[in-house]
Parts: sequence; C-alpha cells; structure tokens
Amino acid sequence: DAGITQSPRHKVTETGTPVTLRCHQTENHRYMYWYRQDPGHGLRLIHYSYGVKDTDKGEVSDGYSVSRSKTEDFLLTLESATSSQTSVYFCAISASRNTGELFFGEGSRLTVL
Amino acid sequence: SQQGEEDPQALSIQEGENATMNCSYKTSINNLQWYRQNSGRGLVHLILIRSNEREKHSGRLRVTLDTSKKSSSLLITASRAADTASYFCATSPQDNQGGKLIFGQGTELSVKP
Repeated sequence: DAGITQSPRHKVTETGTPVTLRCHQTENHRYMYWYRQDPGHGLRLIHYSYGVKDTDKGEVSDGYSVSRSKTEDFLLTLESATSSQTSVYFCAISASRNTGELFFGEGSRLTVL
Repeated sequence: SQQGEEDPQALSIQEGENATMNCSYKTSINNLQWYRQNSGRGLVHLILIRSNEREKHSGRLRVTLDTSKKSSSLLITASRAADTASYFCATSPQDNQGGKLIFGQGTELSVKP
C-alpha cells in the first residue's frame, strides 16, 4: 500500500471555525490532490499540487486553500467552515503526470455543525 | 461539471454472475481509469486504458474503450461477494495539467452470496 496518511480521520467542528486537514506521504511523489466526496456528486477535485509551493485550483476550490512547503505534506485549509463543507475529504498522490494513476488515503470525515 | 457519468448508479447481482458498468465522458482524453471503493475506505486503482487502446484485461476484469462514442465499460466476470463495492471511472483529460483525474459518480455494486 502507498504510504499516505490523512489526519485527522474524523472531525466535528462548528460553522465559522478554521479547519486544517493534513496529508502526509512517504512515497516522494510529485503530485498531490485533495478531493471531496459527496453523495450524488462522486469525487470532485478541490486543489492539487505539482511540486513544492506549486498548487492550482480544481473545480470546487471556493472556500478552500492549500499549502505545500515540503514534498511529503499537503495541507487543506477551510478558513471559515460552512455546513456545505461537510464531506469526506480524500488526499491522493501520483508519481507521474502522464500515467495519472492515483493512490488514495483513507479519507477524513468532516462534519460542520 | 463531472467528466464521467456512470450507468447504472446501482447494480445488484448474484455470485457467479457477470457485472457490467458503463461510463461516458465529454472531452478528449489521454486515458481512462477504473477505481474501486469499499465502504468507508479510500479508492483503489483497478485498471488503466489508454486512448489508443480498445480493450484491456486484468484477471476477472475486462475494460473496453470507444473513443468515438466517448464511452467505456467495465466487466467483472464470475463475481464474488467480495466484489461488493462502488466502482468509479476517471478520465485524464487530453489538456491535462498536473496529472489530475476527473471522476464519475460511481456505480454501487452489490453481489449477493
């Protein structure tokens, strides 16, 4: 199994509070991604990174920011959580842009009350 | 909007039967991939088919790709109860930057013993 660790795995928070989810990899892969999974929507890309300090937006990036200061860590931040951000968040990594095979973490379930 | 649309949304079969899932997409692609997700877990890569390939096999899995119709199918032969999971197609767009994949909404497969 690819070495991907997401933390926390479960979090309950209140509307308006900041939340940071962490993705840590031990594979030294260049590409990292944050997806959210919601019933009826499948997986939607939030942000992705193609190298240290190189990030770009996905299709549902509003309300989220990311940072990647080291190859192994990719942080997803909700500056002010809203109930619509209640979801399961998945981190994924890839070694190759062209191959595109992704390895996923186990997910972080976030509930915003 | 989602690149991939899957059909059916849910499928229930008996052990030993074959399961077929379909995926349609909208734009030109580099490759198409299928992933599996067990309940409460992350996604696991099953198989990748490139845009210049028409069919690919891996064990009990058979994937076809018709780029003229922008569609793909995943066939699982001789299904087992352990195949119960959600299955997602994911496309790598031809203008891909950063190696990101775009996922469909998934097919929920239930294999009854």
